[in-house]
Amino acid sequence: DIQMTQSPSTLSASVGDRVTITCRASQSISTWLAWYQQKPGRAPNLLIYKASSLQGGVPSRFSGSGSGTAFTLTISSLQPDDFATYYCQQYKSYPYTFGQGTKLEIK
Amino acid sequence: QLQLQESGPGLVKPSETLSLTCTVSGGSISSSSYYWGWVRQPPGKGLEWIGSINYSGSTYYNPSLKSRVTISVDTSKNQFSLTLSSVTAADTAVYYCAREGGSGSAEFDFWGQGTLVTVSS
Repeated sequence: DIQMTQSPSTLSASVGDRVTITCRASQSISTWLAWYQQKPGRAPNLLIYKASSLQGGVPSRFSGSGSGTAFTLTISSLQPDDFATYYCQQYKSYPYTFGQGTKLEIK
Repeated sequence: QLQLQESGPGLVKPSETLSLTCTVSGGSISSSSYYWGWVRQPPGKGLEWIGSINYSGSTYYNPSLKSRVTISVDTSKNQFSLTLSSVTAADTAVYYCAREGGSGSAEFDFWGQGTLVTVSS
C-alpha cells in the first residue's frame, strides 16, 4: 500500500494568513493526488485533483502543487470558512489511501 | 446535479452483517466513465477507502477488508450496495458513498452525506 503522510497534523492560523499543508507519498504517485476539505458532521469536499487542478466552484485562493512524492496545498489568504480539516488522497493505485488529516484552527 | 444518498440500519450487532445502499440521482450509474466507491470514517478519525465498483460489476476492494466486503450494483435501480460481514466495534464509523471522477482521473468528486453505523449489542 502507498502510505500518505501529512504535516502538520494541526495548524493554527489567522484570517488573512497564507498557509501551506504538505503531503508525502511513500512512493511515486505522479500527480494522482487529490485534496479534500471536511467540516464537522459533513462529507469531504473535493478541492484539488491531479495535484494542481482546481475543482469547479472552489475559490481560487486554494492551490495545489507537486508531483512524485511531495505535494502541497496552499491557501493564499485564509477566510473564516476555511477552518476545517484537510486530507490528501492518492489514486495512483489500489488500495486508495488518505493522509491522516490536517486540522486548521483559528489562532 | 448528481446526488448520492446512503441508506441502511444505523445499529448492527457484533458478528452480524452490515448492509448499506447508495442511491444515485441526477445521473446514471450505468455510465462507463465512472467507478462508485465506499469510504468510511470512524468517529474522530481519518478516512479509509473500502472499495469501488463500476456499472458492469467490476470491483476493487481494500485488502484490509477484502475477506469481509462485497460491493454490488443494481443499474435498474441506479444503486450500489455494500455488505460487510462479521462486524466488530472497530467497524463503527460514518460510511460514505462517492463517485470516482471520470476522464481517467479517480478522485472522489461527489459524495453522499454519510450514515453512521454503530456496532453494538
